[in-house]
Amino acid sequence: EVQLVESGGGLVQPGGSLRLSCAASGFTFSSYWMSWVRQAPGKGLEWVANIKQDGSEKYYVDSVKGRFTISRDNAKNSLYLQMNSLRAEDTAVYYCARAVGANWGQGTLVTVSS
Amino acid sequence: QTVVTQEPSLTVSPGGTVTLTCASSTGAVTSGYYPNWFQQKPGQAPRALIYSTSNKHSWTPARFSGSLLGGKAALTLSGVQPEDEAEYYCLLYYGGAQSTWVFGGGTKLTVL
Repeated sequence: EVQLVESGGGLVQPGGSLRLSCAASGFTFSSYWMSWVRQAPGKGLEWVANIKQDGSEKYYVDSVKGRFTISRDNAKNSLYLQMNSLRAEDTAVYYCARAVGANWGQGTLVTVSS
Repeated sequence: QTVVTQEPSLTVSPGGTVTLTCASSTGAVTSGYYPNWFQQKPGQAPRALIYSTSNKHSWTPARFSGSLLGGKAALTLSGVQPEDEAEYYCLLYYGGAQSTWVFGGGTKLTVL
């Protein structure tokens, strides 16, 4: 069974940093693109970033370019999202997803507020 | 700024048929946009239904089908069940140097 478990969310002040993690199991992690998707409270889904199997290609939505970095550790079956210079508008539940959403974690809430 | 547009809300009777659509601000949606469809119920993570226009996941009920219709991606539910009441999102791929994916704003489907 595919399982994706996010962690690392919490309350952070504007301008602060946070690192999200996603532990994957139940599939060959190194064989799949992986994605981060977020959902602001009461709003729709927004694709944030994805990363190729070997980490050689990474793509981001314009609003996070230069601030967020997606990475992975295939030896640890883990996906990461380093978030810097956080803004109030980054407040959302962040989901880890296999490929472009074949499977999803339960999400981790990030709240950016003073 | 690429925009993907869905109907904000639709209502269907139990047992009925409804089609949700997904349009791109860049023009007609083709198979090259690899349309995906997701279902999300309140308080739950999204669940994938359709990928690459019309392919179903192993868990996708047979009453869900995907297609291209009049320059848009479409999700058709035939024989709607009460448990199909949910928010539905489409996702399109925009390739090239800035390879990105863009979600539609979602369609709230009410079964009444």
